[in-house]
Amino acid sequence: DVVMTQSPLSLSVTLGQPASISCRSSQSLLYSDGNTYLSWFQQRPGQSPRRLIYEVSHRDSRVPDRFSGSGSGSDFTLKISRVEAEDVGVYYCMQGTQWPYTFGQGTKLEIK
Amino acid sequence: QIQLVQSGAEMKKPGASVRVSCKGSGYTFSNYAISWVRQAPGQGLEWIGWISDSNSNTYYSQKFQGRVTMTTDAFTTTAYMEVRSLRSDDTAVYYCARGVAVDHWGQGTLVTVSS
Repeated sequence: DVVMTQSPLSLSVTLGQPASISCRSSQSLLYSDGNTYLSWFQQRPGQSPRRLIYEVSHRDSRVPDRFSGSGSGSDFTLKISRVEAEDVGVYYCMQGTQWPYTFGQGTKLEIK
Repeated sequence: QIQLVQSGAEMKKPGASVRVSCKGSGYTFSNYAISWVRQAPGQGLEWIGWISDSNSNTYYSQKFQGRVTMTTDAFTTTAYMEVRSLRSDDTAVYYCARGVAVDHWGQGTLVTVSS
């Protein structure tokens, strides 16, 4: 199975400051069709996960543009340009390139 | 709007089975696979498997092979997942989601396994 490793596992950020989460995969996520199936999810307390980013850098509809994804191969990053109070929660990366699909351990974001 | 509405919480004894349902609306149900993911209390997300849209082929994580069955009913736009031989460590919130890209999620169904 592809192992997804996130860092840090927790993040304390001042409102208005940037935040960055790293996600590394144990093998390349580049699929034979030329796409890289790496997604990011946000899970607010008590809620279902919500997809923010798909295929590395494509933002889902209604996701604020302060969220951005980047990376390639086996090294990916989620950035929040200016953290807001509503961003508190746990963030997960997920690979959808090789079955079984796998999630990272999660990164808990809190406000300092 | 796209919605996935799951059945209510279940409490089961070890060794029993549970069936969770997931009704899709707001989109063409038969055009998308349905995926299932679970989350144990205080833990991360774990893929269980998915059922394809076109031919109802199923893909189960090896951990759940032989213990899980996923089905869909296109007429009622409802997906089902049955988990058999429940153990205490199956206690979790079970989520359905649209497609293998899991772009929309249900509200989750808490399954508690306890004697």
